[in-house]
Amino acid sequence: AQKVTQAQTEISVVEKEDVTLDCVYETRDTTYYLFWYKQPPSGELVFLIRRNSFDEQNEISGRYSWNFQKSTSSFNFTITASQVVDSAVYFCALSVEDSGGGADGLTFGKGTHLIIQP
Amino acid sequence: NAGVTQTPKFRVLKTGQSMTLLCAQDMNHEYMYWYRQDPGMGLRLIHYSVGEGTTAKGEVPDGYNVSRLKKQNFLLGLESAAPSQTSVYFCASSYTPGQKLLGAFFGQGTRLTVV
Repeated sequence: AQKVTQAQTEISVVEKEDVTLDCVYETRDTTYYLFWYKQPPSGELVFLIRRNSFDEQNEISGRYSWNFQKSTSSFNFTITASQVVDSAVYFCALSVEDSGGGADGLTFGKGTHLIIQP
Repeated sequence: NAGVTQTPKFRVLKTGQSMTLLCAQDMNHEYMYWYRQDPGMGLRLIHYSVGEGTTAKGEVPDGYNVSRLKKQNFLLGLESAAPSQTSVYFCASSYTPGQKLLGAFFGQGTRLTVV
């Protein structure tokens, strides 16, 4: 069984500060995928990034960056120079490939509510 | 492309009533999923389907039934609604054979209240 832990329930920072959201995962599979989703106050789920277990390269996309470390089973997400529009709930998720090539569902963490104060 | 569309977006039910939530996707995905989201719980998988005519139980299947008669549609049924089923329901789809697993695409959600 898979498990995803987001220990930070809520984080509040002032605009322009950097903030890191933590994600720790558990799985026995060697092939797996990690994701981050954003859920703004409007409620929809917005896909941010996908990483597979064979690719430990860190990634940067504008103000967003992700640090994947298999040694610590972590996939942390950093927002640099945060903005009020970054306020949302952020979910980390994990899936493993099934015999059909797809995934029998994403396992989500409980989410981190990020509040960016002006 | 519409992506994943859920119907309805909001609904209020009385305890004991039944209803069906419809999910439609136009991406030719094989896999479809129903999740529920409750405060502080993240999203939990109710049922999923790996192809037309197939269904399987997820983490929290009790009180729900599903059907996948057509590849593009995945229906979630509540036969006798209970207040504990008050939640936001998300449908998702993923995976086209031959392509890498890209992750799940989600619908806009259905906010269901059972009184």
